[in-house]
Amino acid sequence: NAGVTQTPKFQVLKTGQSMTLQCAQDMNHNSMYWYRQDPGMGLRLIYYSASEGTTDKGEVPNGYNVSRLNKREFSLRLESAAPSQTSVYFCASSETFGDPDTQYFGPGTRLTVL
Amino acid sequence: EDQVTQSPEALRLQEGESSSLNCSYTVSGLRGLFWYRQDPGKGPEFLFTLYSAGEEKEKERLKATLTKKESFLHITAPKPEDSATYLCAVQASGSQGNLIFGKGTKLSVKP
Repeated sequence: NAGVTQTPKFQVLKTGQSMTLQCAQDMNHNSMYWYRQDPGMGLRLIYYSASEGTTDKGEVPNGYNVSRLNKREFSLRLESAAPSQTSVYFCASSETFGDPDTQYFGPGTRLTVL
Repeated sequence: EDQVTQSPEALRLQEGESSSLNCSYTVSGLRGLFWYRQDPGKGPEFLFTLYSAGEEKEKERLKATLTKKESFLHITAPKPEDSATYLCAVQASGSQGNLIFGKGTKLSVKP
């Protein structure tokens, strides 16, 4: 039982390049989330998927798109990367959405945009 | 506006020196308060969920408590392996399933 896995672990992009961050969970959870973590700031929600087939914007969605590929997988895409998107990105999942339910996090992807 | 504030930002303890971390919150109806531990270069690791004032939960040297305005994470006789950043997050009634995180407290325990 791997929990939440993310690929890649590290990535360096040039301004304007695109990339997709991959996330998968094996806990049969219904809800999945993407966060970014920047120095001196708390984790901030980018997008979430309450259930398979649905996605919604979080606090900081600009410059990102997401796809809930199936129940297990939730990807985050940067269409045209900017230096402001340099951050550590975490994927999380929870069994349900809306009720106070624990979110479990992946190991993170460290992204640098030059 | 829903808000979570953690203090202190950093805390240095000697091994065996007990202390507490604080998480103050302002939310429009608390659904749950969560404590996570984050080691350098890793993702947050779940520790506790608290749902209502007066609730307490324990795990090894850690004990989390909750009042109507704040939560404390008490660390009893800490060891160097307890060194990490401790994150507090709340889920508010108006936020659907979303968590609002504090900035964390970085704990260092010296042998």
